[in-house]
Amino acid sequence: QKEVEQDPGPLSVPEGAIVSLNCTYSNSAFQYFMWYRQYSRKGPELLMYTYSSGNKEDGRFTAQVDKSSKYISLFIRDSQPSDSATYLCAMMWTGANSKLTFGKGITLSVRP
Amino acid sequence: DAGVTQSPTHLIKTRGQQVTLRCSPKSGHDTVSWYQQALGQGPQFIFQYYEEEERQRGNFPDRFSGHQFPNYSSELNVNALLLGDSALYLCASSSTRSGNTIYFGEGSWLTVV
Repeated sequence: QKEVEQDPGPLSVPEGAIVSLNCTYSNSAFQYFMWYRQYSRKGPELLMYTYSSGNKEDGRFTAQVDKSSKYISLFIRDSQPSDSATYLCAMMWTGANSKLTFGKGITLSVRP
Repeated sequence: DAGVTQSPTHLIKTRGQQVTLRCSPKSGHDTVSWYQQALGQGPQFIFQYYEEEERQRGNFPDRFSGHQFPNYSSELNVNALLLGDSALYLCASSSTRSGNTIYFGEGSWLTVV
């Protein structure tokens, strides 16, 4: 079993849809959870960062962490064609410059 | 404020050759990590450098080595290249003072033929 599993894709939605992206993990030592967005042939861009369980909102994006279920989600409201990219979940054990463990990534396409 | 910069952006090497990739961290960051991202996969951690020493290492062979310089910039070296080394190599920087946020460069695309 991989440490981090991400819902397989690709995912295609119409513009304006609510998108839900999900990851599960097996290592209960993970404490910090991130979502990165990666456009084609570019480096990952940090979107959301969450510590421990709870919700965090930033504009159209909401990150949710449920440590009891070892499950994290990213919600995108009012999706736009510019949101079309690969979304990677990532997590680490501590904040002291730990390594990131990534999911495989899911490619999202938002149709105009 | 320059972000994480990497060079070269693209390169093609022949099997058996050696390659050096370079990275300058974000201003104010002192820790550099390297990741390998194969096509269709998430990035995999190679190693991390802090204070010019390798602090953590992922599951990569000794053919992968690195260095950090006093100005915090870093190099990734790969010897005896294999076809399977073809990937996007990402440099990530962070700060020991605020190590929770990790920023990536645009990467170096390596093709081994």
